[in-house]
Amino acid sequence: AQSVSQHNHHVILSEAASLELGCNYSYGGTVNLFWYVQYPGQHLQLLLKYFSGDPLVKGIKGFEAEFIKSKFSFNLRKPSVQWSDTAEYFCAVKDGNNRLAFGKGNQVVVIP
Amino acid sequence: DAGITQSPRHKVTETGTPVTLRCHQTENHRYMYWYRQDPGHGLRLIHYSYGVKDTDKGEVSDGYSVSRSKTEDFLLTLESATSSQTSVYFCAISATTTAPNEQFFGPGTRLTVL
Repeated sequence: AQSVSQHNHHVILSEAASLELGCNYSYGGTVNLFWYVQYPGQHLQLLLKYFSGDPLVKGIKGFEAEFIKSKFSFNLRKPSVQWSDTAEYFCAVKDGNNRLAFGKGNQVVVIP
Repeated sequence: DAGITQSPRHKVTETGTPVTLRCHQTENHRYMYWYRQDPGHGLRLIHYSYGVKDTDKGEVSDGYSVSRSKTEDFLLTLESATSSQTSVYFCAISATTTAPNEQFFGPGTRLTVL
């Protein structure tokens, strides 16, 4: 079964700072990778996804992620965060049965 | 947003009582999932369905059962609720197993077992 590790569970930063969240997954063949965001009190929404092709994936709201196969990583980045980026971020990997394995999440707080 | 509704949205119940949560979709997607979300654990898969009457267990299925008699509805039942089942429950849907195959999530049900 796939497993996903996310580091630095709680992140606090100021507006305009850069954000990088790490995600490592266990190898299991062809990988489909996702980052989801959950704003306070809301459901999960897809930020971006990787299936194949260009390893640098651009998503919504200025987020991007880079798939590095040799490192089994799919790190999320945003060059300049806003207060509205305060949320919990989840990395997920799809297994061969179309099930998602989620990391434990990163709680990000952006201070105005 | 994908057409997914969950009911009830909030429920408080007592230990030992049965509870059924409903997930309804209007997208005609084949795959449906039930997750629970707990602090420090992320989302964990309880059960999933790959078609009408076709279901399988996830990683935390003990104490839960599911049924899917129609494409649009996926029911999660706690036969005898326990305090450890206090959680937020999310339903998700997916159209296919081939890319792109992201899952879309419902609004969640907050369940408290006293």
